[in-house]
Amino acid sequence: DAMVIQNPRYQVTQFGKPVTLSCSQTLNHNVMYWYQQKSSQAPKLLFHYYDKDFNNEADTPDNFQSRRPNTSFCFLDIRSPGLGDAAMYLCATSRDREADEQFFGPGTRLTVL
Amino acid sequence: GQNIDQPTEMTATEGAIVQINCTYQTSGFNGLFWYQQHAGEAPTFLSYNVLDGLEEKGRFSSFLSRSKGYSYLLLKELQMKDSASYLCAVKDSNYQLIWGAGTKLIIKP
Repeated sequence: DAMVIQNPRYQVTQFGKPVTLSCSQTLNHNVMYWYQQKSSQAPKLLFHYYDKDFNNEADTPDNFQSRRPNTSFCFLDIRSPGLGDAAMYLCATSRDREADEQFFGPGTRLTVL
Repeated sequence: GQNIDQPTEMTATEGAIVQINCTYQTSGFNGLFWYQQHAGEAPTFLSYNVLDGLEEKGRFSSFLSRSKGYSYLLLKELQMKDSASYLCAVKDSNYQLIWGAGTKLIIKP
């Protein structure tokens, strides 16, 4: 089945220790998104790629970086995680920006000690 | 600014009907989405409305009034597995999804 895969599902890191979250998709979608979601809050868009075109949200901290080496893979790098970065990180894809819906991966739950 | 409003929490009884409302103020409109999100899991797509009216999909229906900036999600014949958060999201003029904080629906036997 075509899908969006995120690894790992649960990630524990220490304060200030860099961490990388990964996302892959078999849907061959052009757009990939990274969201941060904290408990009982709306998903917050961090950035998205339209093909190789990177789009950073204005309020995304510099601590967050992303890479998309090819159509299928996208990575979220948190350079120096703080306690406030503990959250669920959701990867999503869509066929294009105007497409009907976004397809989400299962998410990575990040804990910062 | 852009804003999506929906109730924080609702409670309903198994087998009953519940309506979850969503009002929005966005710069432009390119469709409204409803997603279901179980605790600790990712959102899953439920419905999409871009024209006024009712879209029915099994036990779930979604309604849109663009002139009123209003939508609702109607869930019929509630089951315990419907206990989840329901998120309303609007695609604005830049095709960016603006998300509501979600409505936590609690189903009681």
